[in-house]
Amino acid sequence: AQSVTQLDSQVPVFEEAPVELRCNYSSSVSVYLFWYVQYPNQGLQLLLKYLSGSTLVKGINGFEAEFNKSQTSFHLRKPSVHISDTAEYFCAVSERRNTGNQFYFGTGTSLTVIP
Amino acid sequence: EPEVTQTPSHQVTQMGQEVILRCVPISNHLYFYWYRQILGQKVEFLVSFYNNEISEKSEIFDDQFSVERPDGSNFTLKIRSTKLEDSAMYFCASRRTGGTDTQYFGPGTRLTVL
Repeated sequence: AQSVTQLDSQVPVFEEAPVELRCNYSSSVSVYLFWYVQYPNQGLQLLLKYLSGSTLVKGINGFEAEFNKSQTSFHLRKPSVHISDTAEYFCAVSERRNTGNQFYFGTGTSLTVIP
Repeated sequence: EPEVTQTPSHQVTQMGQEVILRCVPISNHLYFYWYRQILGQKVEFLVSFYNNEISEKSEIFDDQFSVERPDGSNFTLKIRSTKLEDSAMYFCASRRTGGTDTQYFGPGTRLTVL
């Protein structure tokens, strides 16, 4: 079975400061990794995903994440945050197979950008 | 850009009543999913649906739940007799194919059971 841990439930950060949202996973099989963002009263929007290849992946809105297989981590980073980045961020994994591929989500990290 | 839509955005019902949550997946997608998020908790998988049948379901998806694709566009989740603990945000998702394809999520339906 897979599990996803997001260690920080809330992260306050000042505008234009860097931020890192942590995600660790455990799985007995190879996985794909995702970060989703949820703005207030909206659905889940894909930020970025790691499928294979380069371990550093870049997504929308200036976010990037690095897959570290040895540490089973997929931390999300942004060098300079904006007020508009205030949202809930979810890390998710799915198994590497060509079937239903359900997602396993972390509990989410609430990012609050302070002016 | 095509998107997954869900109706209603908010549903209030009495305990024991049946509810149907509706989703319109992206038109050329073949895999469909329902997830739920109880307030303050993680997003949890309920069920996946492919080729007009359930392909996977979680322990949460018991006999009170059912899914259906009644026509070529809608994908519904029915809860036969709602319980207080069914109160949650329900998300529909779809993907074009399996494997590496992204799941696209709808905006969710907030279900409140009184």
